[in-house]
Amino acid sequence: ETGVTQTPRHLVMGMTNKKSLKCEQHLGHNAMYWYKQSAKKPLELMFVYNFKEQTENNSVPSRFSPECPNSSHLFLHLHTLQPEDSALYLCASSQGTGSGANVLTFGAGSRLTVL
Amino acid sequence: GQNIDQPTEMTATEGAIVQINCTYQTSGFNGLFWYQQHAGEAPTFLSYNVLDGLEEKGRFSSFLSRSKGYSYLLLKELQMKDSASYLCAVRDEDYKLSFGAGTTVTVRA
Repeated sequence: ETGVTQTPRHLVMGMTNKKSLKCEQHLGHNAMYWYKQSAKKPLELMFVYNFKEQTENNSVPSRFSPECPNSSHLFLHLHTLQPEDSALYLCASSQGTGSGANVLTFGAGSRLTVL
Repeated sequence: GQNIDQPTEMTATEGAIVQINCTYQTSGFNGLFWYQQHAGEAPTFLSYNVLDGLEEKGRFSSFLSRSKGYSYLLLKELQMKDSASYLCAVRDEDYKLSFGAGTTVTVRA
C-alpha cells in the first residue's frame, strides 16, 4: 500500500462506453498526475494538477477528460476510446511540482482494455 | 523532446551484482530518479541524484555524471525479489520529468 489508491484495477470497455478511473491519495500531497504506461514504452505524462488546478495537459486527446475536485482525489473520465488506448493508467502524487526531490508516489494502476 | 536510454532486459544470478546504465539528453538538468516496479504493482522510489557521485542505500547504489549525461543503478547481493522493472527518470530545466522505457531484471537461482 503506497498511500495512493486506484480503482478499478482492471477495466474492459467497448469503444462506445463511458467509464471513469478514480485515484485517491492519503499522503497530504498537493500535486496529482495521470500517466499512461504501454508495454516496452516510457511512461507518458498525461495531466498534472497542482492544488486542484490543471497545470499541464500533454496534448492528450479529448476522449480523456480529467477532473480534480480536491487535492486528494483525481478522476479520468473515458469516452469513445480506441483500441490503442489500452494500457496501464497510473496515478501519482507529490508534495509539489517544482524544485527539491519531489518524489512521485504511484498507485498500482488501472489496467484498461478497449475492445 | 527528451531522450533517455536504458537496456531493455538484463539477467543475473542470485547473489551477483547487476549494473543498469541510463544515458540521457535533456534540455537542462534538475535531478535523476530511479524507480522499481514489480509486475502488476506501483512503481516505487529508489534513489535521487542531483550532484555527481555515488549515493548508497543498502544493497542499492546510484551514480551520476552530469557532464556525461550518464547514471547507473547498482544492485548488489541480488535476491529473487529484485526481479522487477527499473525505471530511470530525468527532470529537465522546467522541472518536467521524463522516463526511460525501463529495464526488466530477471534474477535466476
